[in-house]
Amino acid sequence: QLQLQESGPGLVKPSETLSLTCTVSGGSISSSSYYWGWIRQPPGKGLEWIGSIYYSGSTYYNPSLKSRVTISVDTSKNQFSLKLSSVTAADTAVYYCATLIAARLNYFDYWGQGTLVTVSS
Amino acid sequence: DIQMTQSPSSLSASVGDRVTITCQASQDISNYLNWYQQKPGKAPKLLIYDASNLETGVPSRFSGSGSGTDFTFTISSLQPEDIATYYCQQYDNLFTFGPGTKVDIK
Repeated sequence: QLQLQESGPGLVKPSETLSLTCTVSGGSISSSSYYWGWIRQPPGKGLEWIGSIYYSGSTYYNPSLKSRVTISVDTSKNQFSLKLSSVTAADTAVYYCATLIAARLNYFDYWGQGTLVTVSS
Repeated sequence: DIQMTQSPSSLSASVGDRVTITCQASQDISNYLNWYQQKPGKAPKLLIYDASNLETGVPSRFSGSGSGTDFTFTISSLQPEDIATYYCQQYDNLFTFGPGTKVDIK
């Protein structure tokens, strides 16, 4: 049973870069079964897919965020990471890491518990 | 981009009631639609995939139907533990979630 755990700063200043890491346990990030991704949820609002990455480095990004997002994989640490640049208050959200079935790229089945990131000076 | 709408945005129903939520896509997405349940402070949980397939372990009172642009999610007999927000999600072109439907007990 896969388990995902997000970690990173809970407070980021405007114009800076938000950096989060998702640690995977109970399985290998090099598994061919999954894409590894990020989804966010502003307080009191809905869900927004940010992007997903395969262990090989192949990525899909939300076009609305693509210019500011980088997702990377560290197979040696069984982790993947999110970097979101030039943040504003609109980027304040709970950030979830989640898996996507690689064979079909259809649904998100394993999720982390989420971590709140606040953008404020 | 594919836009998703849901209605209603919220509803109150009594225990045992049949609850129906609709989700509409801005273009034909075949059956490339999933439904999630999110309880307060928790991550979303997959309930239905490919529009009508029940995820393993999910109670049979939950069901989904539809194809093309119009989809329906039903709870056949609402239970107190079903209080949550429900989201649809398309995967025909990348991934987009609907705005959610909050379900309360009357």
